[in-house]
Amino acid sequence: QKEVEQDPGPLSVPEGAIVSLNCTYSNSAFQYFMWYRQYSRKGPELLMYTYSSGNKEDGRFTAQVDKSSKYISLFIRDSQPSDSATYLCAMSEPGGGADGLTFGKGTHLIIQP
Amino acid sequence: DSGVTQTPKHLITATGQRVTLRCSPRSGDLSVYWYQQSLDQGLQFLIQYYNGEERAKGNILERFSAQQFPDLHSELNLSSLELGDSALYFCASSTTVNTEAFFGQGTRLTVV
Repeated sequence: QKEVEQDPGPLSVPEGAIVSLNCTYSNSAFQYFMWYRQYSRKGPELLMYTYSSGNKEDGRFTAQVDKSSKYISLFIRDSQPSDSATYLCAMSEPGGGADGLTFGKGTHLIIQP
Repeated sequence: DSGVTQTPKHLITATGQRVTLRCSPRSGDLSVYWYQQSLDQGLQFLIQYYNGEERAKGNILERFSAQQFPDLHSELNLSSLELGDSALYFCASSTTVNTEAFFGQGTRLTVV
């Protein structure tokens, strides 16, 4: 079983829709959770960073962490064509584990104008 | 701009050659990570340094090596290059170990 699972998509939604992106994980030691956006062949851009459980909101983006279910989500409201990209979740253990930041393989999101 | 600088942006070299990729972390960041991303593949963790010391090692080939210097910049050395080493190589940095990391724009390596 892979440590971090993420549906590769593509996920195609109309402009203005609410987008839900998700990751599941198996390592209960993960405490730091991140979401990155990566445009084609560019460096991943950090969108959201959350420690432990709970919600965090930043503009149109909301990150949720449910540690009991080992499940994290990123919601994008009022989606725009410029949101079309690959979204990567990442997580890590406090004090560092053996593998740096562990990434999902990414979900390819397409926002249709 | 993340504040992480990678050079060169593009590199084309022949099989069997050796190259060095350079990364300057954000000001104040002590931790540097290297990742490889092949075409349509996820980010593969290679190695991590913290304040000059190797902190964690992933699926890094023996032909690859890295170091972090006293000024905290890092270099990734790739030797005896093969066609399959063609990929994007990303460097990221964070203030401490395994907290939010910021990525550079990557070095695109093409081995011909």
